[in-house]
Amino acid sequence: GENVEQHPSTLSVQEGDSAVIKCTYSDSASNYFPWYKQELGKGPQLIIDIRSNVGEKKDQRIAVTLNKTAKHFSLHITETQPEDSAVYFCAASKGAGSYQLTFGKGTKLSVIP
Amino acid sequence: DAGVIQSPRHEVTEMGQEVTLRCKPISGHNSLFWYRQTMMRGLELLIYFNNNVPIDDSGMPEDRFSAKMPNASFSTLKIQPSEPRDSAVYFCASSRTSGRYNEQFFGPGTRLTVL
Repeated sequence: GENVEQHPSTLSVQEGDSAVIKCTYSDSASNYFPWYKQELGKGPQLIIDIRSNVGEKKDQRIAVTLNKTAKHFSLHITETQPEDSAVYFCAASKGAGSYQLTFGKGTKLSVIP
Repeated sequence: DAGVIQSPRHEVTEMGQEVTLRCKPISGHNSLFWYRQTMMRGLELLIYFNNNVPIDDSGMPEDRFSAKMPNASFSTLKIQPSEPRDSAVYFCASSRTSGRYNEQFFGPGTRLTVL
């Protein structure tokens, strides 16, 4: 089955700096890669996703990149703010007709004011 | 939209007791998922329902766990008897399986502590 590795497990950045979280996946059939943000005491919330037919997607301060050849994808957060502090999860899925999301172990991001 | 609703938010019980967790998916969603989250194992899928029918329960740890979805707006996850190693946060998520990609919406979770 699919295996998703996520690094780093913890990340501390100064407010205003950028943060990058990286994930690799094992199943070349995976074609949908969502990113979830989990705040303390809450459930994971989808913040951005990317399909296999694009290499990059941006939404304000957040961007995701995908390299299907190397089977890795990354989350980039620019101009970090204290409210970005949370645990971030990457996931992979085979998309069409497939319900299974395989999650990475998560990255705890701390933005220091 | 109220989002996915779970109850209770916190549950503390003693080993051997029965525990029932409840979930109301987002209206119009036809897929429902139960996940368990622990520090050691991360987010694990326990069971998946589509149109109220269990499709994949391979993630259910053992016979002590059971899940039902009697209708499109309600699901339960039951643990009987509970054990301390069942302590975790249990999430319910729902999605609408139309189109190619299925965004899952998570509830706030139930934090279960078994003493």
